[in-house]
Amino acid sequence: NAGVMQNPRHLVRRRGQEARLRCSPMKGHSHVYWYRQLPEEGLKFMVYLQKENIIDESGMPKERFSAEFPKEGPSILRIQQVVRGDSAAYFCASSPRGQGVRPYEQYFGPGTRLTVT
Amino acid sequence: AQSVTQLGSHVSVSEGALVLLRCNYSSSVPPYLFWYVQYPNQGLQLLLKYTSAATLVKGINGFEAEFKKSETSFHLTKPSAHMSDAAEYFCAVSEGDYKLSFGAGTTVTVRA
Repeated sequence: NAGVMQNPRHLVRRRGQEARLRCSPMKGHSHVYWYRQLPEEGLKFMVYLQKENIIDESGMPKERFSAEFPKEGPSILRIQQVVRGDSAAYFCASSPRGQGVRPYEQYFGPGTRLTVT
Repeated sequence: AQSVTQLGSHVSVSEGALVLLRCNYSSSVPPYLFWYVQYPNQGLQLLLKYTSAATLVKGINGFEAEFKKSETSFHLTKPSAHMSDAAEYFCAVSEGDYKLSFGAGTTVTVRA
């Protein structure tokens, strides 16, 4: 059973370019979460999505960042017009639908390291 | 908002020695607490979690953690370190059902 897949693992972008980070959840999982880890800091929650719905985006920066989880295909975290401060590791996690156990158990991918030059 | 603080960004232990990783939390409500481990080039893996049942929680790979409300702590221990325990360890607190807030991590190295 494959785990959560993220690609690319490393991404280099110049200031002003767009970055697209992909996350394929574990088989059978329909909930996806994105977290960001800035240098020397812990992971911070960004957004929680279910298929075709954004449930909680309280951790997303108000501008330039967007996320989607379409009916088919991976979840995408998109960063427009990247700046040096966007350099970080971005982690995706997934959990199954309809969990009766709380809190929801999240399974993490290996992360995408974004470097903005 | 809930948060955690991990004391010590690097810990070095000898093989066979006690592993002790410290985590203190801040929460206005009874928290859910977690320890995750990350091996190089892999995703975070759940070691154990506290969800207000037993205060001493046993996890995988011989790790355990004790919830101490009076000290607002959730320290992770393993009696005898193994070379395979070299990794980065993250303490986390859950704000509700899904919003995890992580500490900055502690890197463990194990000396032969």
